[in-house]
Amino acid sequence: AQSVTQPDIHITVSEGASLELRCNYSYGATPYLFWYVQSPGQGLQLLLKYFSGDTLVQGIKGFEAEFKRSQSSFNLRKPSVHWSDAAEYFCAVAPRPGGGNKLTFGTGTQLKVEL
Amino acid sequence: DTEVTQTPKHLVMGMTNKKSLKCEQHMGHRAMYWYKQKAKKPPELMFVYSYEKLSINESVPSRFSPECPNSSLLNLHLHALQPEDSALYLCASSQEGNGGPYNEQFFGPGTRLTVL
Repeated sequence: AQSVTQPDIHITVSEGASLELRCNYSYGATPYLFWYVQSPGQGLQLLLKYFSGDTLVQGIKGFEAEFKRSQSSFNLRKPSVHWSDAAEYFCAVAPRPGGGNKLTFGTGTQLKVEL
Repeated sequence: DTEVTQTPKHLVMGMTNKKSLKCEQHMGHRAMYWYKQKAKKPPELMFVYSYEKLSINESVPSRFSPECPNSSLLNLHLHALQPEDSALYLCASSQEGNGGPYNEQFFGPGTRLTVL
């Protein structure tokens, strides 16, 4: 069964500092990976996704993520964090084609930004 | 239009009330989802409709009753809820529902439900 681990429950960074949020997955085939962001009381917004090809993917709001098959990781990065980036971040993996509809989410990482 | 809309934004109901949540998308997606989310937790899948047919029910209590009148619309009918059902209810849609890239899900803003 597939699973997603986000080891950091909370992360605090200073505004302007760089950010890396970790995501590790357990999956038997080529994974289909997503990062979502959720502001308080809001729905989930897709930041970026990886399906195949270039292992460094660019997303919205200046975020990027790198897929590393050897480490089963898909870490999210941002070079300079803004106060508005404070939110909950979820990594998720989709089944392989033909494998059904169920996204598997990580437990989330709450990002706090200090001014 | 890449938006999923949900109404109402907030709902307060008593345990004997009947209410409904509504979700709409106009992206031509053929899979639609209901999730329940408690504070500081990831969304928990409740139901999936694929091509207007219920394809997944994650053992949800019968006091929650989903309905998919057409490919753009998804309802969640609520009856005799319990206080522990208070949560954010999220709707999502995807192009199709059978894995891989077609599982890229677009989420609505959610309905904040409080059961008194």
